[in-house]
Amino acid sequence: EAQVTQNPRYLITVTGKKLTVTCSQNMNHEYMSWYRQDPGLGLRQIYYSMNVEVTDKGDVPEGYKVSRKEKRNFPLILESPSPNQTSLYFCASSLYRDRGSPLHFGNGTRLTVT
Amino acid sequence: AQSVAQPEDQVNVAEGNPLTVKCTYSVSGNPYLFWYVQYPNRGLQFLLKYITGDNLVKGSYGFEAEFNKSQTSFHLKKPSALVSDSALYFCAVRVSYGGSQGNLIFGKGTKLSVKP
Repeated sequence: EAQVTQNPRYLITVTGKKLTVTCSQNMNHEYMSWYRQDPGLGLRQIYYSMNVEVTDKGDVPEGYKVSRKEKRNFPLILESPSPNQTSLYFCASSLYRDRGSPLHFGNGTRLTVT
Repeated sequence: AQSVAQPEDQVNVAEGNPLTVKCTYSVSGNPYLFWYVQYPNRGLQFLLKYITGDNLVKGSYGFEAEFNKSQTSFHLKKPSALVSDSALYFCAVRVSYGGSQGNLIFGKGTKLSVKP
């Protein structure tokens, strides 16, 4: 089944403890992206990647890192999480970085930082 | 600046009645427009898109959307709402120029509530 898989689904951590949220897609998509979803703010893009070893900042990149060493994986790294990073995170991918290709989303990771 | 607006935070509809979820956009050049739906505890699912051609596009679950270039709108519609349509709906437009070309800009979402 074609899908975007994120892990974990739920994560509770403490301020300053490094964490990684994994994202993997099995559709051979070149383009991948991370979003955070907050009430009243909709979806905001954190980072995106056009292909292997190519990453760019989105609208809210502060406090996050990403890497794209393989086409299928695009992990999101929080080196020193803070409470304002408590949010619902989504990974997404698409076949091409062309304008007609829809994004496929993972089921989300709900992160709580205390 | 390129943007998407969903003017209603929530839309309430009785089951069996038609529904409309509004979306307006601002983009340079020809717009590539999308609708997504989010059910509780799930990721966003693609519903339909407008690229070119007929102004009325049909998508999943009986939904359709009407592209109106003069009003810069892309409203989502369904002739007869179901309780199971209750969800959060997002409109999105693809960035058409600049360094982030190809990225999607999302509206803030509209919560659709369909009552029996």
